[in-house]
Amino acid sequence: DAKTTQPTSMDCAEGRAANLPCNHSTISGNEYVYWYRQIHSQGPQYIIHGLKNNETNEMASLIITEDRKSSTLILPHATLRDTAVYYCIAGGSRLTFGEGTQLTVNP
Amino acid sequence: DGGITQSPKYLFRKEGQNVTLSCEQNLNHDAMYWYRQDPGQGLRLIYYSQIVNDFQKGDIAEGYSVSREKKESFPLTVTSAQKNPTAFYLCASSLRRRGRSSYNEQFFGPGTRLTVL
Repeated sequence: DAKTTQPTSMDCAEGRAANLPCNHSTISGNEYVYWYRQIHSQGPQYIIHGLKNNETNEMASLIITEDRKSSTLILPHATLRDTAVYYCIAGGSRLTFGEGTQLTVNP
Repeated sequence: DGGITQSPKYLFRKEGQNVTLSCEQNLNHDAMYWYRQDPGQGLRLIYYSQIVNDFQKGDIAEGYSVSREKKESFPLTVTSAQKNPTAFYLCASSLRRRGRSSYNEQFFGPGTRLTVL
């Protein structure tokens, strides 16, 4: 699995878009980019994943650069319940979780 | 109600005792995984299984054992050989992509918090 780099923490105002960056410069051609989030003391929740193209679902959007070396998770209208640790993972069958980004949504 | 379940939510054991954590899924997923999480850290892979009666070691398999006798069940035994067993244990499962060797996204259970006294 490719190593990923994320900021340790970020803040966002409620109702604004939260943009979470991730670097995965060593990603290989068949590895997907996955995003999960974890609220304290719960199991991680799957958010979205992509290979080359940008993706959007009911939770978020994923923007992957053309060279696939970085990506951005976008929560379009952050709420207080989006406060969590967000993990970006580049991998295949095995996923390697780093320490993620602690996103705090402030009222 | 489909999903992945882990039991119990909290587990206490005395040092030196083996303990088995349960993980069941009714999603008909092919692969199952066990992770360990320590406070303030990310998840680390203990074992995974892509097919019944077969499993592979992850990054921190020492002191743990697993079995995969049924597709829907993947119990984890924490043995007395595990030096620091107190942790949050998470089980996950995923579906194999059609016609490929890769797997879809993993879905996680609620976790079991093990405390060894």
